[in-house]
Amino acid sequence: AQKVTQAQTEISVVEKEDVTLDCVYETRDTTYYLFWYKQPPSGELVFLIRRNSFDEQNEISGRYSWNFQKSTSSFNFTITASQVVDSAVYFCALVDNYGQNFVFGPGTRLSVLP
Amino acid sequence: DGGITQSPKYLFRKEGQNVTLSCEQNLNHDAMYWYRQDPGQGLRLIYYSQIVNDFQKGDIAEGYSVSREKKESFPLTVTSAQKNPTAFYLCASSMTDRAYPDTEAFFGQGTRLTVV
Repeated sequence: AQKVTQAQTEISVVEKEDVTLDCVYETRDTTYYLFWYKQPPSGELVFLIRRNSFDEQNEISGRYSWNFQKSTSSFNFTITASQVVDSAVYFCALVDNYGQNFVFGPGTRLSVLP
Repeated sequence: DGGITQSPKYLFRKEGQNVTLSCEQNLNHDAMYWYRQDPGQGLRLIYYSQIVNDFQKGDIAEGYSVSREKKESFPLTVTSAQKNPTAFYLCASSMTDRAYPDTEAFFGQGTRLTVV
């Protein structure tokens, strides 16, 4: 069975600090896909990034960066120079090779204080 | 514009009543999902459907029912058998073509159901 763990339930940082959100996954598939979503107070989930299991290159997009390490089954998300607008719940998710059965982690609530 | 529409945004139900939440998508996605989110909690899968006229139970299907008569629509009925239905409900869709298995799931804006 597939499983996603986000051990950090809540994180609070002061604006401009860097913060890393952890994601650890379990799967028996050799091919799979990982995602990060942001849920602002409005409730809708916003897609941030996808990564397939064959691509271990880290990615940077503005203040966001992702570190995928297959050896430790982790897909961590770092926000550099955090801003108040980054305050949200962040979900890590895993889907199998057939694009079915999205499995979400429990989420990490990030609060960025001014 | 393509996307997923959930309605209504807020819904109030009296105890003992069934209520149906609407979810429509115009993304031509095969797969559709219903999730429940309780305050401070993650997403729990209620039902999902990969094709029309077929659906499978998720982790917390008891007290819920769905139908998938059209590709675009996946309504969720919260029945009186659901003991604690007050929650935030999210609908999602994704492509399941094996040629594009890494497509992300698109989410609606959610329906907040309150039992009064």
